[in-house]
Amino acid sequence: QTVVTQEPSFSVSPGGTVTLTCGLSSGSVSISYYPSWYQQTPGQAPRTLIYSTNSRSYGVPDRFSGSILGNKAALTITGAQADDESDYYCLLYMGSGISVFGGGTKLTVL
Amino acid sequence: QVQLVQSGSELKKPGASVKVSCKASGYTFTSYSMNWVRQAPGQGLEWVGWINTDTGNPTYARGFTGRFVFSLDTSVSTAYLQISSLKAEDTAVYYCARGRAWGSDYWGQGTLVTVSS
Repeated sequence: QTVVTQEPSFSVSPGGTVTLTCGLSSGSVSISYYPSWYQQTPGQAPRTLIYSTNSRSYGVPDRFSGSILGNKAALTITGAQADDESDYYCLLYMGSGISVFGGGTKLTVL
Repeated sequence: QVQLVQSGSELKKPGASVKVSCKASGYTFTSYSMNWVRQAPGQGLEWVGWINTDTGNPTYARGFTGRFVFSLDTSVSTAYLQISSLKAEDTAVYYCARGRAWGSDYWGQGTLVTVSS
């Protein structure tokens, strides 16, 4: 079974730029996987940031952007702020109506 | 405004069943699919599956077939997740989320299901 891979942790300085990635244990991610990205802080429901590779969800600032970089989906955060410190999850559509989450990346802003 | 409001926390014994509801408002219920996501304590998000709110056709992730059942009551714009033969490892927060381009856009607040004797 194909696994969706994410960096377990990442850190960024306030005001800096960070790119989180979402890959496959076997194969390359393309727009056909409709990658989406979610932000979650402890005790809260997830919040959708990006769907369909690069479409920002409602109310999401343009500091957050999605793309395909090489063989992975990517979430780039520019001008990182303290409240960006969260867990970030990607979701990939595998076909036949099935989707799979990555294991999540814990982002630290320090 | 779009809202998904889920039912409250549940405490169940092993072997029992539970039914979680997700009431939608602010949009045409049958125009968007509904996804279900599980999050065990201290763990990541796990995609459970989705239901086509227009046809009622469900799709379940591997590992969620048999005991997990999605259903709808379109007259009250509500989706349901029923879990039977509950096990301790089903203890988790269950989220509903409106479908958008094979992902989700709006999320419910989550329902904690605790399975304990």
